[in-house]
Amino acid sequence: SAVISQKPSRDICQRGTSLTIQCQVDSQVTMMFWYRQQPGQSLTLIATANQGSEATYESGFVIDKFPISRPNLTFSTLTVSNMSPEDSSIYLCSAIPQGLAGTTDTQYFGPGTRLTVL
Amino acid sequence: AQKVTQAQTEISVVEKEDVTLDCVYETRDTTYYLFWYKQPPSGELVFLIRRNSFDEQNEISGRYSWNFQKSTSSFNFTITASQVVDSAVYFCALSDPPSNTGKLIFGQGTTLQVKP
Repeated sequence: SAVISQKPSRDICQRGTSLTIQCQVDSQVTMMFWYRQQPGQSLTLIATANQGSEATYESGFVIDKFPISRPNLTFSTLTVSNMSPEDSSIYLCSAIPQGLAGTTDTQYFGPGTRLTVL
Repeated sequence: AQKVTQAQTEISVVEKEDVTLDCVYETRDTTYYLFWYKQPPSGELVFLIRRNSFDEQNEISGRYSWNFQKSTSSFNFTITASQVVDSAVYFCALSDPPSNTGKLIFGQGTTLQVKP
């Protein structure tokens, strides 16, 4: 398994500002992902964080709004840029541990970052 | 296209009752994985089980059991003798291994409330 931590755990931000969320895994992982969970909704994949290259974004999400970095195998950041109240959500980081058989192995999640935009 | 449906939006039971959470999936792939996650009020997603498409054996873990039936594309989750601590949102998810992306497709979730 993998133990994943996120910072901050929650934040309240003003419209038009940006927030960077950090995700740290306790071991090297093959893949890292960022999800958004809007209030009362399911999880929606924002992007796959690729180590050493640009993230792969899902339909509806763009790099200018959600820039992602992954400088090594255990760390990634997600920035929510130029925020609006519609960005109020829980943002979750997840990872698939390295060394297991392929990408079908279990995806573990961080505790999430609760973001409120006023 | 792949899809996961959890038709039960909310379920309320009294402690010690048994409860079954339904999950129906759609995929054209012959190789896939199914998952259940629990999301308590704290917000963290807790992994419960992974099942691959070639293993239809039911699984039991303590009070939890899972019934995987390929014939009906279902992967249902039963909690026996429910407890207040089981109150959470439960998500069923499907992976798409043929694309080798590691992505998960989540159902809408079922909110379980267990009353004392």
